[in-house]
Amino acid sequence: QKEVEQNSGPLSVPEGAIASLNCTYSDRGSQSFFWYRQYSGKSPELIMFIYSNGDKEDGRFTAQLNKASQYVSLLIRDSQPSDSATYLCAAVDSNYQLIWGAGTKLIIKP
Amino acid sequence: DAGVTQSPTHLIKTRGQQVTLRCSPKSGHDTVSWYQQALGQGPQFIFQYYEEEERQRGNFPDRFSGHQFPNYSSELNVNALLLGDSALYLCASSLRPNTGELFFGEGSRLTVL
Repeated sequence: QKEVEQNSGPLSVPEGAIASLNCTYSDRGSQSFFWYRQYSGKSPELIMFIYSNGDKEDGRFTAQLNKASQYVSLLIRDSQPSDSATYLCAAVDSNYQLIWGAGTKLIIKP
Repeated sequence: DAGVTQSPTHLIKTRGQQVTLRCSPKSGHDTVSWYQQALGQGPQFIFQYYEEEERQRGNFPDRFSGHQFPNYSSELNVNALLLGDSALYLCASSLRPNTGELFFGEGSRLTVL
């Protein structure tokens, strides 16, 4: 059973600090990875994707991928209360299916 | 540019009934995927449609069926509703199959009594 695992949280971070969200995946053949943000009662919204080992930066967001360790992370710098949401990690596996984690709830405290 | 639109937004059904949910993809997208999301859970993949055919299917019973029309819009049908079918049903469109770059609609919240 191919899995994507995330800590369910909640992860509480002070406003202005760096929030670090982590995700591991079981299928070594997975090639592409995605972070979605989901506000309560709303649908998921794609915020970052990463295909290559290393870091990818977009504004306050940085996605990190380590294929050897089968580990993906999302860093949010200068966290704002509006960043409070559930963050979903997903991976396209070796059968080209998108496998989702259950999400990490992030709370940014003013 | 209209995004993904779903209807209805909320509906209430009783056990044993049937339901049809509808989705229009984002302009330029030809692939539609359907997900079920229970409270506090990640989205669970139901199936994906491309070129009017079901291309991939998740671990859902045959009570869940779908269709894609020539204009790329799609329907999700659920027969013989169970209490456990109560969830948010999400439609997502994409430029092609086998990608994780999805655009979601606002969902249809189904309550089965």
